[in-house]
Amino acid sequence: EPEVTQTPSHQVTQMGQEVILRCVPISNHLYFYWYRQILGQKVEFLVSFYNNEISEKSEIFDDQFSVERPDGSNFTLKIRSTKLEDSAMYFCASSGEQYFGPGTRLTVT
Amino acid sequence: ELKVEQNPLFLSMQEGKNYTIYCNYSTTSDRLYWYRQDPGKSLESLFVLLSNGAVKQEGRLMASLDTKARLSTLHITAAVHDLSATYFCAVDEGGGGADGLTFGKGTHLIIQP
Repeated sequence: EPEVTQTPSHQVTQMGQEVILRCVPISNHLYFYWYRQILGQKVEFLVSFYNNEISEKSEIFDDQFSVERPDGSNFTLKIRSTKLEDSAMYFCASSGEQYFGPGTRLTVT
Repeated sequence: ELKVEQNPLFLSMQEGKNYTIYCNYSTTSDRLYWYRQDPGKSLESLFVLLSNGAVKQEGRLMASLDTKARLSTLHITAAVHDLSATYFCAVDEGGGGADGLTFGKGTHLIIQP
């Protein structure tokens, strides 16, 4: 059964550093999404991506964030200068019906 | 702004009992998702409800959607310990595609043997 994959599973970085989180969506899906979940809290939408451009983004998705589909399979989320409050699980999803990847736990120290 | 409210947020129940989790939302939508999340894990899709009156069942779980009341329910029948998890409902305001999902805060369910 096809699934969304994400790498790395855990990323530790220092405040101010750039991180890139990677996702491989399900191959025949057209919409891709990033969400985040701060520990113990609800899941929050960040951005959706369709036809190689951003479709929608939330207030959380500020200038520090960017997304890219650098090739036919990968979908990346970049955080330009990480802050402590960026520590969270980041989930990629693709649609169809919003299938979620396993997540990347980002820890900013 | 779309609001999605779940209740209860925390539920402890005994095996064998029945219970219902409620999900209210504040805007018109006919696309609602239920997910299960185990601690430290990702979101597992349980049900996708795509129209008013939709009812879906899988094992001991049954979900329904009333778009006029802006309400979805997740009913648990004869609970077993393995169903202990956090359950989220999520609403797709845009009807599929560009808009992301708006999640409720989740219902943390503990089922005692």
